[in-house]
Amino acid sequence: DTGVSQDPRHKITKRGQNVTFRCDPISEHNRLYWYRQTLGQGPEFLTYFQNEAQLEKSRLLSDRFSAERPKGSFSTLEIQRTEQGDSAMYLCASSLAEERGPYNEQFFGPGTRLTVL
Amino acid sequence: KNEVEQSPQNLTAQEGEFITINCSYSVGISALHWLQQHPGGGIVSLFMLSSGKKKHGRLIATINIQEKHSSLHITASHPRDSAVYICAVSKYGNKLVFGAGTILRVKS
Repeated sequence: DTGVSQDPRHKITKRGQNVTFRCDPISEHNRLYWYRQTLGQGPEFLTYFQNEAQLEKSRLLSDRFSAERPKGSFSTLEIQRTEQGDSAMYLCASSLAEERGPYNEQFFGPGTRLTVL
Repeated sequence: KNEVEQSPQNLTAQEGEFITINCSYSVGISALHWLQQHPGGGIVSLFMLSSGKKKHGRLIATINIQEKHSSLHITASHPRDSAVYICAVSKYGNKLVFGAGTILRVKS
């Protein structure tokens, strides 16, 4: 399967612990996005990368959140000192962004469901 | 007010019915996306459109750029169409801004 993959699929942690999620995009895709979805809501943008450069971060992303895409391939999202409010589905998506093109079909991974106790 | 509004929030239909889900947006966009999400599952892109109309099987998506409105239609609905349908907009390849989703249940 050459789609977007995420690991782990589920994570249960205690408040105050650090967690790290991984996303492997479709191999030729240059853009990688992280979104967060809480129950009953649509996803919200967190951050995105073009190759290894982090181009935008949401104001939702507190200092406890950090994301990297060190070689322009896979990405990690780390949450430090987790809080119960961090419980959500964390979605990764990738796309092939054309130079000056308007279109950006994004392909989503299955998500990582985080539960903070 | 959210930048992307969907209606209805919940929709229950009988198998075979024609279904319409609406989406309105308040920002300038380059494309509008219709996405499908099954319970516990990931998100699948159904359509990406910037003008006119697209059709795929029993699904039809339309967009009116002047009115900033889009509709997703499902003809001859089936229980397997039960899912959350999400409208999202993007501007020139950047982040998606999502609506809250419409929960569709099709009963047999």
